[in-house]
Amino acid sequence: EAGVAQSPRYKIIEKRQSVAFWCNPISGHATLYWYQQILGQGPKLLIQFQNNGVVDDSQLPKDRFSAERLKGVDSTLKIQPAKLEDSAVYLCASSLVTANTGELFFGEGSRLTVL
Amino acid sequence: DAKTTQPNSMESNEEEPVHLPCNHSTISGTDYIHWYRQLPSQGPEYVIHGLTSNVNNRMASLAIAEDRKSSTLILHRATLRDAAVYYCILRRNNDMRFGAGTRLTVKP
Repeated sequence: EAGVAQSPRYKIIEKRQSVAFWCNPISGHATLYWYQQILGQGPKLLIQFQNNGVVDDSQLPKDRFSAERLKGVDSTLKIQPAKLEDSAVYLCASSLVTANTGELFFGEGSRLTVL
Repeated sequence: DAKTTQPNSMESNEEEPVHLPCNHSTISGTDYIHWYRQLPSQGPEYVIHGLTSNVNNRMASLAIAEDRKSSTLILHRATLRDAAVYYCILRRNNDMRFGAGTRLTVKP
């Protein structure tokens, strides 16, 4: 079974530029999460989708971050314009079930450096 | 949000058991206790979860206190590959929020 795919693995941009990250979840997984992980910290939930609908985006900085999940499969996370503090690893995860017992499967992440 | 408290770091010797503690005094009746770990340069991976009873799987055991206000992840024989950050998470429906975790160092 293929895992969660993310691209690009690494991205370096200058502040005020824009960047987009792509995630392809495990086939059949209805729930998709985007997390931001700053060096030395645990992952912070940015947004959660159930199929193509948003379940929770309370911690997404909506003035500069946006995310979509068209057709309930792939998802993109965009940052525009980027700030220095956006330097982090962006992790995508998917889950088959939404119950408390559901296991999350994570991708390897996309590392963003903002100069 | 239901919060968990874990030590920042722990050390273990290779091939010895490791007990990783987690306090969650504000746990509610429907919260499941999940453990994930994150190896260097990788995304987190699922380890184990439980509600009230102790749980065992091929990776680890989870011991849950009777009042559910604390739990312990047990690695029965630590290997060098178990060196990682271990996260204890209270899962309420879709809510999966990570804390800072415990960094486990395994010494040969």
